[in-house]
Amino acid sequence: SAVISQKPSRDICQRGTSLTIQCQVDSQVTMMFWYRQQPGQSLTLIATANQGSEATYESGFVIDKFPISRPNLTFSTLTVSNMSPEDSSIYLCSVLDRSQNIQYFGAGTRLSVL
Amino acid sequence: GDSVTQMEGPVTLSEEAFLTINCTYTATGYPSLFWYVQYPGEGLQLLLKATKADDKGSNKGFEATYRKETTSFHLEKGSVQVSDSAVYFCALSSGAGGTSYGKLTFGQGTILTVHP
Repeated sequence: SAVISQKPSRDICQRGTSLTIQCQVDSQVTMMFWYRQQPGQSLTLIATANQGSEATYESGFVIDKFPISRPNLTFSTLTVSNMSPEDSSIYLCSVLDRSQNIQYFGAGTRLSVL
Repeated sequence: GDSVTQMEGPVTLSEEAFLTINCTYTATGYPSLFWYVQYPGEGLQLLLKATKADDKGSNKGFEATYRKETTSFHLEKGSVQVSDSAVYFCALSSGAGGTSYGKLTFGQGTILTVHP
């Protein structure tokens, strides 16, 4: 299984600022995903980030609000831009092990926006 | 589109009780099915999976059987422990090609609390 490190693990931010979340995996993977988990809710896919191509966003999520970088096969970042209290959530990255069709998750970033 | 429905929670049990968390799904094609567990303050961990009809996934005393005829993947454990207290998510991956490949659709999650 892949080992995924996310940074920061938590943060408290002011309204109107931006936060960049990093996701580092210990092996090369093609497909990485970013999810949002709002308080007490399930996970919602934000976007799929494949190395060498633009991220693909799900309905309701736009690049201006959640820009994603995927510079290589072991790293990705998600930026939450111009934050509001409604952005307070846990943000998780995951990677796909294609041989087993299993996604492995990072521990998440707990974001609170004041 | 694909969807996953889990039983409403929270579920509260005494230690050594029997656990069932119901999960049903709607999907095109032949999805793979998963149970993930989220312990307090942590990310998601894969608990078990099944990739085709009648497959049984098992891990740490938990089991779930892929039932195509009832489109279900119910999670069971014969004797729960306090350490099993967590949120449990049922999920599917449609396995379809193109832009849907690899994506997971999650149920709403079921909170399980086990008391000594």
